[in-house]
Amino acid sequence: GENVEQHPSTLSVQEGDSAVIKCTYSDSASNYFPWYKQELGKRPQLIIDIRSNVGEKKDQRIAVTLNKTAKHFSLHITETQPEDSAVYFCAAMRGNEKLTFGTGTRLTIIP
Amino acid sequence: SQTIHQWPATLVQPVGSPLSLECTVEGTSNPNLYWYRQAAGRGLQLLFYSVGIGQISSEVPQNLSASRPQDRQFILSSKKLLLSDSGFYLCAWSVSRDTQYFGPGTRLTVL
Repeated sequence: GENVEQHPSTLSVQEGDSAVIKCTYSDSASNYFPWYKQELGKRPQLIIDIRSNVGEKKDQRIAVTLNKTAKHFSLHITETQPEDSAVYFCAAMRGNEKLTFGTGTRLTIIP
Repeated sequence: SQTIHQWPATLVQPVGSPLSLECTVEGTSNPNLYWYRQAAGRGLQLLFYSVGIGQISSEVPQNLSASRPQDRQFILSSKKLLLSDSGFYLCAWSVSRDTQYFGPGTRLTVL
């Protein structure tokens, strides 16, 4: 089955700086890669996703890049703000099968 | 628009007691439904998923079971809870079988 590794497990950045979270996946047939943000005690919320026919997708301060050859994808958050502090999860899916999640990254924005 | 409900929001149960958690989805037909468990400070573990009424796939052998008696209703049950069943239980739905949206969750504490 699919295996997703996520790094780093914790990340602290100064407010206004950029944050990057990286994930690698094992199944080259995976073609859908969402990112979720989970604030303390809340449900995971989808923030951005990308499909394998696209190399990059951007939504305001958030962007995701996908390298199919290397089997890795990354979340980029620019101009970080205190409300970006949360746990972020990446995931991968092959066709219409199950989502496999990474282990999460706890992002802390330092004011 | 679609909404997903879960209840109860919090639950404290003694070891050995039964469990019933309910999830309902509004505003869509024939959704795919999922049950996840998240231990404190950990990632998301898929427990069950369903592509239709009466169709349940189990991911992890355990003392939990799931049922889907109606198109938009998904129930998670146990006959006898264990301490290790404590966690944050999340129901999720999807229509296209890729993008999944999570419910508000049930926080279960087994004492």
